[in-house]
Amino acid sequence: QSVLTQPPSVSAAPGQKVTISCSGSSSNIAIHYVSWYQLVPGTAPKLLIYDNVKRASGIPDRFSGSQSGTSATLDITGLQTGDEADYYCGAWDSSLSDEVFGGGTKLTVL
Amino acid sequence: QVQLVQSGAEMKKPGASVKVSCKASGYTFTAYFVHWVRQAPGQGLEWVGWMDPKSGDTNYGQKFEGRVTMTRDTSITTAYMELTGLTYDDTAVYFCARSSPLDCWGRGTLVTVSS
Repeated sequence: QSVLTQPPSVSAAPGQKVTISCSGSSSNIAIHYVSWYQLVPGTAPKLLIYDNVKRASGIPDRFSGSQSGTSATLDITGLQTGDEADYYCGAWDSSLSDEVFGGGTKLTVL
Repeated sequence: QVQLVQSGAEMKKPGASVKVSCKASGYTFTAYFVHWVRQAPGQGLEWVGWMDPKSGDTNYGQKFEGRVTMTRDTSITTAYMELTGLTYDDTAVYFCARSSPLDCWGRGTLVTVSS
C-alpha cells in the first residue's frame, strides 16, 4: 500500500488533456515538494516535474504540475502516443523519514 | 552528458546478499547524493535510501535498516548498494538516481531471488 494515492490508470485520445492526481497528507505533500516521474519499461525513469511546478530540463511545456494542500496534480496536454507510460509522484515524508511514492498511474493514449 | 550506468542482472538464493554498482559520469560525483529506489514486479516505486558520496553519510529507509549498506569509491565515481538476507520479496529492479531532485536515473538492475 503506497503512502501517496494515485489513480491506477487514465486514458484519453491524442491531442487531449489528462490530469493525474496524487493525494497525500500533512506529513508529505502539504509541507514537502512533490516530484513527478515517467517510467517506460526497459528505460531509465525520467524526472518530469520537481518542486511541485518546475519542469525538468528538456521537458516540454505540455507537462505541468501543481500542488494544493495535501494533493498534487500532473497535467499533460496535447497528448501523444509517445506519452504512454507509468507516472509516479514522490515526496519526502517527515513522519516516516522516508521518500514516499504513489502507486503509479498507467497512461493510455487511445 | 550526465549518466549513471548500473551493473548487470543478478540471481541470488534466499538468504544471500547482493551488491549492485552505479557508475557515475558527466558530473562531479561528490556534489550530489545518490539514492536507491526499487520496483518489484507489477508494483510501484519504493525508496531504499540515500548516500552522500562526499562524506559517506547514509540515510536508509525504515524497511531496509539493518539489511542495506550504501558505500562508494570516489576514485572510480561509483556508488554501491548491498542488500543482505535476501527474500523472495526482494526480487525487483533496483535503480540508482542522482539528487536532488532525482534528475538522472540509471536503467536499473534486476535482482531475482530464487531457490
